[in-house]
Amino acid sequence: DAGVIQSPRHEVTEMGQEVTLRCKPISGHNSLFWYRQTMMRGLELLIYFNNNVPIDDSGMPEDRFSAKMPNASFSTLKIQPSEPRDSAVYFCASNQDSGEYNEQFFGPGTRLTVL
Amino acid sequence: AQSVTQLDSQVPVFEEAPVELRCNYSSSVSVYLFWYVQYPNQGLQLLLKYLSGSTLVKSINGFEAEFNKSQTSFHLRKPSVHISDTAEYFCAVSKIQGAQKLVFGQGTRLTINP
Repeated sequence: DAGVIQSPRHEVTEMGQEVTLRCKPISGHNSLFWYRQTMMRGLELLIYFNNNVPIDDSGMPEDRFSAKMPNASFSTLKIQPSEPRDSAVYFCASNQDSGEYNEQFFGPGTRLTVL
Repeated sequence: AQSVTQLDSQVPVFEEAPVELRCNYSSSVSVYLFWYVQYPNQGLQLLLKYLSGSTLVKSINGFEAEFNKSQTSFHLRKPSVHISDTAEYFCAVSKIQGAQKLVFGQGTRLTINP
């Protein structure tokens, strides 16, 4: 298995531009998570989906952020408009949620720089 | 709500020396506990976990952690570190009911010097 795939790996953009981060979960997994990692705030859960439905988006910082999961094999995290404080590494993770604990597998991350 | 405190942001040690990375948590309900490792430019990988049973859990590469409920701690230890252990280590918790939501500590950067 290729693991969780994220694209792009690096993104540099200017303030005000729209940014779209992409994630392909591990095949067969039914839950997908978006995390953000910054020096100041550490690693935070932004949103997670189960069976393509958003379950908890309480970590989404503001309306500029939106996430979708149109099917079981693809998710996007969009920032519009982007701001310099959005600069961070964004991780996607997936697992098979069976009601008990199941390990989350992380992708390599997308390093976003907003100038 | 749960919270995790990793008391050391950076820990430098010499190769083959022992190391302890400290983790304390706060929660009003029972939790699962985890240590994740992040090697440079990579995503996080699960190192070890405590779900139930024996309070001492071990990884395949020589790390171990002990769940101490009275002290609300889950410190990570290794008796002899290698250069390849250089990484950032994250302690995390989740509620048993709702185990999908991980709460992470700030991380501890472990640097191994030859």
